[in-house]
Amino acid sequence: QQQVKQSPQSLIVQKGGIPIINCAYENTAFDYFPWYQQFPGKGPALLIAIRPDVSEKKEGRFTISFNKSAKQFSLHIMDSQPGDSATYFCAASRGGGADGLTFGKGTHLIIQP
Amino acid sequence: DARVTQTPRDKVTEMGQEVTMRCQPILGHNTVFWYRQTMMQGLELLAYFRNRAPLDDSGMPKDRFSAEMPDATLATLKIQPSEPRDSAVYFCASGQGQPGNEQFFGPGTRLTVL
Repeated sequence: QQQVKQSPQSLIVQKGGIPIINCAYENTAFDYFPWYQQFPGKGPALLIAIRPDVSEKKEGRFTISFNKSAKQFSLHIMDSQPGDSATYFCAASRGGGADGLTFGKGTHLIIQP
Repeated sequence: DARVTQTPRDKVTEMGQEVTMRCQPILGHNTVFWYRQTMMQGLELLAYFRNRAPLDDSGMPKDRFSAEMPDATLATLKIQPSEPRDSAVYFCASGQGQPGNEQFFGPGTRLTVL
């Protein structure tokens, strides 16, 4: 049972465009929703995270939108740059993030110059 | 510059051999996680510890995998005997075990079982 579903699997966007990656979860006990960025040969690194008591969180060029009733959340990258080309994972956790993470399958993002 | 360290970075072994992967969490972090990444399954949680006690190992194949924390600065993941399907990148992550605290990932151990 895949508890966190992520789409699309891959995405190509022109520089300056706004890639959007979507995730849906099933377990209503999840209360922490982070996004991780991973470059080839590296471990995932936290980009931004949200709790279900807010509908949007913005940090720099990265924004999470959260819809608790639909059990969906998404990542938007404003003014995308070639350096943003990476694999992005959404995840969910209980315990406010203190517990282990359940990851989506990942989105391979390419930003073309 | 505090970071999670993992050894070895790469390991090639033959089926049936024992494999031990090591992780040094960030000093002061009381929670250690083990994840496995494959192309087919993505990132999966194997097990995690808090204050050196195992909290959840439900993601780990019990018959061949074992995880321990001999002390607060060392976590180990052992596979015995290894099988080709264990080939993957194994990540260790550490955190402070409080709501809202980030999990910091190590660089991973790439395991290839021939």
